[in-house]
Amino acid sequence: GAGVSQSPSNKVTEKGKDVELRCDPISGHTALYWYRQRLGQGLEFLIYFQGNSAPDKSGLPSDRFSAERTGGSVSTLTIQRTQQEDSAVYLCASSLDGTRGRTDTQYFGPGTRLTVL
Amino acid sequence: SQKIEQNSEALNIQEGKTATLTCNYTNYSPAYLQWYRQDPGRGPVFLLLIRENEKEKRKERLKVTFDTTLKQSLFHITASQPADSATYLCALLSYNTDKLIFGTGTRLQVFP
Repeated sequence: GAGVSQSPSNKVTEKGKDVELRCDPISGHTALYWYRQRLGQGLEFLIYFQGNSAPDKSGLPSDRFSAERTGGSVSTLTIQRTQQEDSAVYLCASSLDGTRGRTDTQYFGPGTRLTVL
Repeated sequence: SQKIEQNSEALNIQEGKTATLTCNYTNYSPAYLQWYRQDPGRGPVFLLLIRENEKEKRKERLKVTFDTTLKQSLFHITASQPADSATYLCALLSYNTDKLIFGTGTRLQVFP
């Protein structure tokens, strides 16, 4: 079946503009995660959606970052008033059930490379 | 403070040898630890999971060990091949969180 898809694959924007990044998780997966990966760095957790529960936003670096997940499926990560330090690859992952104690594998999309000029 | 550390320097080995990558953690109580492979321009791909009560896990040419006393996991690739060249990330799930915490990864380069 289809894996996790993300769009766009690349996004170049000017400082101060808003951007929206999209993630289509694997059908039937209830958990969805967003990560940021700066060049040569590990994955930095941003936000986590699990079913109908309130999202875990503890990783969002500032109030310029927000995310939605509509209908328990597609998610959009929005960065307002982008800054140069926002330049990174933004990765989305989904898993069958992300509730505590489960060991579900996270399936990652290819990422969106964001460059803020 | 809580840390997950992987060797940031690239590991270069000759084809056919065993590659060993290290993941150390501090101030976590992991329920389990996972290893992922990441190729350039791609998202990570899951390889193996090992639970806190398991010492060793194997899958084909891959072997993972988990020592909760040393707070360390080792990832071995036997009979390494150039196609094994990639960055390998460890990630752990702690008992007090729902989130996987990732290390920074170690780049492996296998030369023919």
